[in-house]
Amino acid sequence: SQKIEQNSEALNIQEGKTATLTCNYTNYSPAYLQWYRQDPGRGPVFLLLIRENEKEKRKERLKVTFDTTLKQSLFHITASQPADSATYLCALPRDGNKLVFGAGTILRVKS
Amino acid sequence: DTAVSQTPKYLVTQMGNDKSIKCEQNLGHDTMYWYKQDSKKFLKIMFSYNNKELIINETVPNRFSPKSPDKAHLNLHINSLELGDSAVYFCASSPTLEYAGNTIYFGEGSWLTVV
Repeated sequence: SQKIEQNSEALNIQEGKTATLTCNYTNYSPAYLQWYRQDPGRGPVFLLLIRENEKEKRKERLKVTFDTTLKQSLFHITASQPADSATYLCALPRDGNKLVFGAGTILRVKS
Repeated sequence: DTAVSQTPKYLVTQMGNDKSIKCEQNLGHDTMYWYKQDSKKFLKIMFSYNNKELIINETVPNRFSPKSPDKAHLNLHINSLELGDSAVYFCASSPTLEYAGNTIYFGEGSWLTVV
């Protein structure tokens, strides 16, 4: 069956460090992958999209990699700040037009 | 200037009642969705509409009936509410049906509690 797995345990890091979140998938061959941020009590907000022919995508302090051989995407936040604390969701397309989300990883950045 | 707005934000109701959640987007998008986020935080698609036409019905009980009067609105009506319907329901929209290159814009969510 198709699965999207993200770290179920919260990631706690110190301010200024780089946070790395993982998204693994099985039985998918996605043409792209998206990352979203969700704050408590709010809806998810789109951050980045990376396509299968792109190894890496950057946006300000964010970097996403996409390894279709390993079936894995890594999401990095450099110089992390307490304001980066949130749940980060990866999402993959399924059956053409359905976007399926992982359960998300909680990131806590401590000052 | 809210992009995707849904009401009510909080809803507490008894089992067996019928309730509706309204959603409107002012982004000019063609496609709208309803997602459900359960207590384990999984975000699952329920329905999608493209220009008022139902595209996806993700094996949702027929107690859930979406209605799209125009492409800027997608309402969700739930009949005979059950305890298991308690969740956060997110309305969302995207420019077109094709995901590639599209961003999905989510509303703030409607917290439904069935007692």
